[in-house]
Amino acid sequence: NAGVTQTPKFQVLKTGQSMTLQCAQDMNHEYMSWYRQDPGMGLRLIHYSVGAGITDQGEVPNGYNVSRSTTEDFPLRLLSAAPSQTSVYFCASSYTGLSLYNEQFFGPGTRLTVL
Amino acid sequence: QKEVEQDPGPLSVPEGAIVSLNCTYSNSAFQYFMWYRQYSRKGPELLMYTYSSGNKEDGRFTAQVDKSSKYISLFIRDSQPSDSATYLCAMSGGNYGQNFVFGPGTRLSVLP
Repeated sequence: NAGVTQTPKFQVLKTGQSMTLQCAQDMNHEYMSWYRQDPGMGLRLIHYSVGAGITDQGEVPNGYNVSRSTTEDFPLRLLSAAPSQTSVYFCASSYTGLSLYNEQFFGPGTRLTVL
Repeated sequence: QKEVEQDPGPLSVPEGAIVSLNCTYSNSAFQYFMWYRQYSRKGPELLMYTYSSGNKEDGRFTAQVDKSSKYISLFIRDSQPSDSATYLCAMSGGNYGQNFVFGPGTRLSVLP
């Protein structure tokens, strides 16, 4: 049971490049989400999904795209990278929608630098 | 004003000390309160959660919620070097599907 896995661990992009951050979970969780973590800002929700085929925007969705074709995978796409997207990105999953009783499990993170 | 405020630290204490970590919030609709621990270069992991006001104890950790003051605390007794991490508070209104709001985290160092 690998839990939540993320690839790559580190990435450097040039402004304007696009890329996809991969996230997978093997716990059969319905709910998956993407956060970014910046110094002094805490974790901020980018996009989330309550099941395959269903996605919605979080607090800071601009510049990012997601899709959920399977229960296991939830990739995050940066359409045209900007220096403001330099951050640490975390994927998380939980059994169902967010509630006190459904613990979110976080992946190890992807450190992205945009030059 | 941010919805959730937390002193970023860093906070350094000697081994064995009692540590007090705190968050304040502005949204009176929050009912569920959580503390996450995040080791360096790792993802956050859930440490404790509480509902509404009151205390909850789990081993060396005690979580306290005072909704009247919009103030939550995490106490760590007999702190250990392995407790050195960033501690994030998080809260939610509790409605199904409602998202969490995280504090920025407090970095704690417990010195041997």
